[in-house]
Amino acid sequence: DAGVIQSPRHEVTEMGQEVTLRCKPISGHDYLFWYRQTMMRGLELLIYFNNNVPIDDSGMPEDRFSAKMPNASFSTLKIQPSEPRDSAVYFCASSSAPTRRVAEQFFGPGTRLTVL
Amino acid sequence: AQKVTQAQTEISVVEKEDVTLDCVYETRDTTYYLFWYKQPPSGELVFLIRRNSFDEQNEISGRYSWNFQKSTSSFNFTITASQVVDSAVYFCALEGPGADGLTFGKGTHLIIQP
Repeated sequence: DAGVIQSPRHEVTEMGQEVTLRCKPISGHDYLFWYRQTMMRGLELLIYFNNNVPIDDSGMPEDRFSAKMPNASFSTLKIQPSEPRDSAVYFCASSSAPTRRVAEQFFGPGTRLTVL
Repeated sequence: AQKVTQAQTEISVVEKEDVTLDCVYETRDTTYYLFWYKQPPSGELVFLIRRNSFDEQNEISGRYSWNFQKSTSSFNFTITASQVVDSAVYFCALEGPGADGLTFGKGTHLIIQP
């Protein structure tokens, strides 16, 4: 399997622009997670999905952030409008927990976002 | 609320020394899962181990070993005979019983000098 795929790997944009990050989870995994990594706050969970349904978005920092999972093989994280403080590395992860036993999360390579 | 504390921000040792990374966690759940991830300079997050709260057996995998002590809420990670390639940031993480996402510690930056 190719692992979790994220695109783009790097994104540089100007304040106020819309940014869309994309993720393809590992085939067969029914959980998908979005995390953000910054120097100040470390790694923090933004939102997660189970079977394409958002379960907990309490980590989403503001209404400017939104995430969707239209099907089992694709998810997006959108920031509109972007601000310099959104600059971070955004990770997508997926896992399989068919018996509700927690399985390890496999992480994508991350998208490094810079908002000027 | 869950919390993971990695008190060691940075550790620097000379190659071939043994090194232990500390992890202390807080949770109200009776069932939970503990993880270690490695983040090398290239930036990806590499899974190392998962341990559930029912299993306090220590685990060894090559030069890596993990010591889980429920009584002290600790899940420490030891690298024996460290190598330069072990240089990375290591994260300890905690998850509750419901596959609801990882709570990470701040990470320990491990530097192995040749």
